[in-house]
Amino acid sequence: SQQGEEDPQALSIQEGENATMNCSYKTSINNLQWYRQNSGRGLVHLILIRSNEREKHSGRLRVTLDTSKKSSSLLITASRAADTASYFCATDATGSGNTGKLIFGQGTTLQVKP
Amino acid sequence: GAVVSQHPSWVICKSGTSVKIECRSLDFQATTMFWYRQFPKQSLMLMATSNEGSKATYEQGVEKDKFLINHASLTLSTLTVTSAHPEDSSFYICSARDPGLARGGEQFFGPGTRLTVL
Repeated sequence: SQQGEEDPQALSIQEGENATMNCSYKTSINNLQWYRQNSGRGLVHLILIRSNEREKHSGRLRVTLDTSKKSSSLLITASRAADTASYFCATDATGSGNTGKLIFGQGTTLQVKP
Repeated sequence: GAVVSQHPSWVICKSGTSVKIECRSLDFQATTMFWYRQFPKQSLMLMATSNEGSKATYEQGVEKDKFLINHASLTLSTLTVTSAHPEDSSFYICSARDPGLARGGEQFFGPGTRLTVL
């Protein structure tokens, strides 16, 4: 079964605006990762945040992690039309025996209008 | 970052035939690879964990006799969909971990294989 839920399921914004996506999960984790997927393509790794970290930045991306609430958020600042894609969070659960297997959230479909 | 390839990128087959999908890590050795299935407009569903030199570990509800996984080398895992049926039509994606990377944890995904069963 899927580990997490993401909201919103779909988000439509204008170019230049910020986009925020949220992810909730159910069990203890080693880390949480965000991925991007363009339609019909493979996944691109965006950022990994470990369970002992609270915030991480990478370019226009900012990820937060609240382990007490079992939630994470991905903020994309100054969005561009090229950011249009589906975004997934994925958790590496502590109970996975250090196999590194990931359980994916349902995803958020982001549309950035030029 | 590390590169993972999949072959073929798409395949169309008749119902009842078997289809093999290859997943290769091109510039690193992967002791563990993962196979996912993704239906249209849905998320990725983990099917199994492929371990080099040993049997794969399947997720609950995934038929191991239908989805045969072989991980014979540190750079190649194969998924064979046996006796495929139209409901097996999906996007199959593999991923691999590079244990040699200092940051660890990150998985690298293949471009996916679109399977259509007629």
